Amino acid sequence: TQLLEQSPQFLSIQEGENLTVYCNSSSVFSSLQWYRQEPGEGPVLLVTVVTGGEVKKLKRLTFQFGDARKDSSLHITAAQPGDTGLYLCAGADRGSTLGRLYFGRGTQLTVWP
Amino acid sequence: KAGVTQTPRYLIKTRGQQVTLSCSPISGHRSVSWYQQTPGQGLQFLFEYFSETQRNKGNFPGRFSGRQFSNSRSEMNVSTLELGDSALYLCASSLSVLETQYFGPGTRLLVL
Repeated sequence: TQLLEQSPQFLSIQEGENLTVYCNSSSVFSSLQWYRQEPGEGPVLLVTVVTGGEVKKLKRLTFQFGDARKDSSLHITAAQPGDTGLYLCAGADRGSTLGRLYFGRGTQLTVWP
Repeated sequence: KAGVTQTPRYLIKTRGQQVTLSCSPISGHRSVSWYQQTPGQGLQFLFEYFSETQRNKGNFPGRFSGRQFSNSRSEMNVSTLELGDSALYLCASSLSVLETQYFGPGTRLLVL
């Protein structure tokens, strides 16, 4: 069962444009992580959000956790070619599946110079 | 501090063979999780170990097994390989069960 839905699945934009990636679920998560993955490599952690309504900024990247802790978004301002990669959201819960991350399918971002 | 390391990085096997993949977590991390990544299914959880005990298991057949050693290093084994087992196998470590997971570079397995 795919608990986290990411959209869009693919995004191809020009350098300098802004974009938003969404991660939605009907389940409540205790925390949500965003990762970026490049071909042939493991996902690299970008941020962890824990509190409903929380907003975190990482240079040109802004992450938001929904008030109900069911959804999250990633906004990139003035995208650069170095932002190209697969962006993955992953949720964790404190229930019976402690220690397990539920991943979205990912958003493949390509930024053209 | 060194990151998560996985060996080997690449592996080619034939159907019916078995394979063992190794993962060394970040120093001090006691929880290790394994994931399978394929283009069609994305990242799928295999299992999670903490203090040498399997605490969580995903929906994979019994051909997939794992273990964790006292130094927190982990191995996963796949027996009777099938073509569909071709994937990137990722290991992630965390301080404990609820902490953020950090991923290794993965082992790319190709089954012919």
